[in-house]
Amino acid sequence: AQSVTQLGSHVSVSEGALVLLRCNYSSSVPPYLFWYVQYPNQGLQLLLKYTTGATLVKGINGFEAEFKKSETSFHLTKPSAHMSDAAEYFCAVSDAGGTSYGKLTFGQGTILTVHP
Amino acid sequence: NAGVMQNPRHLVRRRGQEARLRCSPMKGHSHVYWYRQLPEEGLKFMVYLQKENIIDESGMPKERFSAEFPKEGPSILRIQQVVRGDSAAYFCASSPPSMNTEAFFGQGTRLTVV
Repeated sequence: AQSVTQLGSHVSVSEGALVLLRCNYSSSVPPYLFWYVQYPNQGLQLLLKYTTGATLVKGINGFEAEFKKSETSFHLTKPSAHMSDAAEYFCAVSDAGGTSYGKLTFGQGTILTVHP
Repeated sequence: NAGVMQNPRHLVRRRGQEARLRCSPMKGHSHVYWYRQLPEEGLKFMVYLQKENIIDESGMPKERFSAEFPKEGPSILRIQQVVRGDSAAYFCASSPPSMNTEAFFGQGTRLTVV
């Protein structure tokens, strides 16, 4: 079975500060890893994903994440927070094994607050 | 290309009634996934369907819940005899037939049982 742990249910940063959202996973097979963002009363939007290849993955809106196998981590970062980044962020791992990326195990979510 | 369409966006049902949630996948997508998001929790996988087939229903409650994805028309998640604990946001996602393509999520249906 796979699981995802997001450390910190709430993270607060100042506008312009570094954003760091932590995600650790467990998986018995090579994982496919995802970060999604959810704005209030909206669906989930994919920020970025790691499947194979380069371990540093760049996504939309200036976000990036690094897959570290030795640490079983996939932390999300952004060098400079913007007010529009305020949302809930979910880390997820695919139960794919080569079948489909759509069956996901999600973390509990981290609510990001950005202060002016 | 329209995204994944879910309707209704909000649904209120009295205890004991039936709830029907609809999901129209993106054009060309033949895989559909349903997730439930309870208050203060992340999304939990419920069921994975392809056209006319249930591929994986390991996350579906054993009773009262069913899902279908007919050859024509949207995917339907049906909840019979709803209870207060069914109140949640239900999200649908779809992906194309090709392997290794991420799923795209709809905006969800927020079910409130009163």
